[in-house]
Amino acid sequence: QSVLTQPPSVSAAPGQKVTISCSGSNSNIGNNFVSWYQQLPGTAPKLLIYDNNKRPSGIPDRFSGSKSGTSATLDISGLQTGDEADYYCGTWDSSLSAYVFGTGTTVTVL
Amino acid sequence: EVQLVESGGALVQPGGSLRLSCAASGFTFSSYNMNWVRQAPGKGLEWVSYISSSSSTKYYADSVKGRFTISRDNAENSLYLQMNSLRAEDTAVYYCAREWPLDYWGQGTLVTVSS
Repeated sequence: QSVLTQPPSVSAAPGQKVTISCSGSNSNIGNNFVSWYQQLPGTAPKLLIYDNNKRPSGIPDRFSGSKSGTSATLDISGLQTGDEADYYCGTWDSSLSAYVFGTGTTVTVL
Repeated sequence: EVQLVESGGALVQPGGSLRLSCAASGFTFSSYNMNWVRQAPGKGLEWVSYISSSSSTKYYADSVKGRFTISRDNAENSLYLQMNSLRAEDTAVYYCAREWPLDYWGQGTLVTVSS
């Protein structure tokens, strides 16, 4: 069982915005940087956001991240059909001495 | 261009062993920490193990501790995962990934544990 909780699915029409939450605790999100990963169908995951709110080169600014306390959020604005994928949050857990992923969220573009 | 290419996945019987490899190119391998992450069929991501650039620090998920061993050969630009006492629940695609955050991933190699 993952220690980071995400909603199983979110959906919206093209051009709209979706928000994915990631809930943890003081031993993980509360005291460590959060990353977000995108996994398109049939492909390997890709880094989308790191250090809570930074985007790697090539990631459009439609993707944004934030963190408050023991929760983190990924926002996807201007939703496109190509954004249909699974999204995972991830961070270090100091109590477990392990890197932990969220339960994953499937984004569907209606 | 950063490339990570996993190999070694196979069908193995419960209790068996397997060694996965990850060949790295396009960056100075010896300067980066590395990880193994797995994904069971239809399931989410599970971090498996971490090794520092010099091999001085290693971490393991509780689910594999005592059965799996991570190692690397910086001269060969290669990362390894020795998997012993394999169980059905170890069936997954295994990815190697660079650093924290996991900024580059390989395409994965499938390990199936079944009799």
